[in-house]
Amino acid sequence: KAGVTQTPRYLIKTRGQQVTLSCSPISGHRSVSWYQQTPGQGLQFLFEYFSETQRNKGNFPGRFSGRQFSNSRSEMNVSTLELGDSALYLCASSLEGVYYEQYFGPGTRLTVT
Amino acid sequence: GQQVMQIPQYQHVQEGEDFTTYCNSSTTLSNIQWYKQRPGGHPVFLIQLVKSGEVKKQKRLTFQFGEAKKNSSLHITATQTTDVGTYFCAPRGATNKLIFGTGTLLAVQP
Repeated sequence: KAGVTQTPRYLIKTRGQQVTLSCSPISGHRSVSWYQQTPGQGLQFLFEYFSETQRNKGNFPGRFSGRQFSNSRSEMNVSTLELGDSALYLCASSLEGVYYEQYFGPGTRLTVT
Repeated sequence: GQQVMQIPQYQHVQEGEDFTTYCNSSTTLSNIQWYKQRPGGHPVFLIQLVKSGEVKKQKRLTFQFGEAKKNSSLHITATQTTDVGTYFCAPRGATNKLIFGTGTLLAVQP
């Protein structure tokens, strides 16, 4: 079985721009969750999508949004980028949700200049 | 709100020594997951504990869930260089929000 894939792997953006990250889950997994990882804040939960519906949300501003398509692929969008958004963005897929075994993708390294 | 403390933040051991990391919550947990992230890699699921007092073993790794379901530990016997990485706990609490612990970075000197 193919693992979780994320594109792009690396991205450099300028403050004020917006960015869209993509995640393709493991075949058959309906849950996709997103995380932000930084040295200072660690691994922080952004949101979870299950069968195209946002089921859970972390404490991030509205600039962070996401969606899930009927094939379970998910996208995450960050608008009006700030320097502090520089981070590794990880997505994880699971059969049933975040409280079950999650399989993480390699991540997208976003740098905001 | 729920707070999760993971200690220590960093541990440096000689190969062959044992290692333990602890995850402590201010609230009672429904279950807890453990993940390992190698340097430059992504988190990899290790195990999930659900029952009070549960102990699970995976080769040299022993995972324990506290009787009160407020803490958990991961113990590695006779560390190897392949054990290097950051170990995260991810407890599920009453808020239903998934929170990852701060992680324990393990360095193993050959």
